[in-house]
This record gives sequence, structure tokens and C-alpha cells, in this order.
Amino acid sequence: DAEITQSPRHKITETGRQVTLACHQTWNHNNMFWYRQDLGHGLRLIHYSYGVQDTNKGEVSDGYSVSRSNTEDLPLTLESAASSQTSVYFCASGSGTGNYEQYFGPGTRLTVT
Amino acid sequence: GENVEQHPSTLSVQEGDSAVIKCTYSDSASNYFPWYKQELGKGPQLIIDIRSNVGEKKDQRIAVTLNKTAKHFSLHITETQPEDSAVYFCAASRPSNTGKLIFGQGTTLQVKP
Repeated sequence: DAEITQSPRHKITETGRQVTLACHQTWNHNNMFWYRQDLGHGLRLIHYSYGVQDTNKGEVSDGYSVSRSNTEDLPLTLESAASSQTSVYFCASGSGTGNYEQYFGPGTRLTVT
Repeated sequence: GENVEQHPSTLSVQEGDSAVIKCTYSDSASNYFPWYKQELGKGPQLIIDIRSNVGEKKDQRIAVTLNKTAKHFSLHITETQPEDSAVYFCAASRPSNTGKLIFGQGTTLQVKP
């Protein structure tokens, strides 16, 4: 069955380190999104991509980057992790062809100490 | 910028009662309104959505209503069951955003047996 996976599911890192969170989908969706979820803020968009080589900033993009080298993957990189980036990160994908539905992965809980 | 407000933040009901969660949106161009259910430790799951060309949509015990004039939409769950306990998120998207969603802050629903 087609699915969307994230790895790792849990990560503890130190302030200043570079961290990359993986997202992989097998639906062949054009659109992929990264969100962070914090108490009281719901889901906030970090970066998104509408296809290979396309990336766009969301509302909370500072300190994060993404790259889209193929349809299936959109890794999220924290250039220099900060304690404020402790959060749960969700990846989502959608077909984008006149269809707005998004399907979410299981999430990665990141703790920056 | 575009904003989605969701109320209440917590809701407790007795099993068998109805639950209603309301959202208001700021962008009058929004035309797609999904609702997501998030169980503990999992990613959000799309449960129902509505587009601006209809006023109501039902799927078994859940329904969504949309009032474009007032710019608000609501999720209605009838005959609630303990397994309905979760966090519910509303979201909105405008046609030009190709699937980019703006989420409400979430509602924690507790259904007491």
C-alpha cells in the first residue's frame, strides 16, 4: 500500500548541531509539506514543495531548509539546532492536481538540549 | 495574513451526546475546508472536507457546515463514542495556494463513557 513515512521517530540532539529529518512518500504526489506542531499553535507550515527542484518557505522557515531531488523525498534540515526548535515535526503530501487533500506521516519528535 | 481561529480549545461530552467545533477564517478567497483528527502519538488524519460550492456535507456520524457569508465552518459529531476522543484541527486553503493549508489551533475532545 502507498504510504508516507518519517524517520527517525524520535531524535535528541544538542544545540548547534545539524539535523536532518527524512520524509518519504510512495503515492507519487507532487506536493509535499513540512509542519511543526507545538502546544497552543496547532500546525505551522515550515517549507513546502510543488515538485522536483521546487521549494518554498512557509510561515516559520527561519533555521530550516529543504531540498527536493526526486518525487518521493523531502528531507528537512535544521542548519544549527536551537532549543526553540524542540517540537514534533510532521510531513505531509498531496497530489496537487486540483486536489487539496493532504496526508500526514506519523511525525518525528525532536528534542534539542 | 490568512488566519483560522478554532473554538473551543477543549470540549468534554458524555458518550452519546453531540459535539460541535467551530472555526472562522479571514481570507474570503478560501474555498477548501478540511477537518483532521489526531490521535495520541499519530499524525493528523483527514476525516471530512468541504468545498465552498456546498453548504453541508455528511459522512455517517460526522458532518461539516459552511457559512461563506460569515466565513465560518463547523464540525458536528453525533452520537459520540469514546474512540472519538482526540484532537481535531480545522484548516482552510485558497485556490491559488495549490493545497497549502492554514490550520486552526486544535480542539481536544474528550468523550466520557
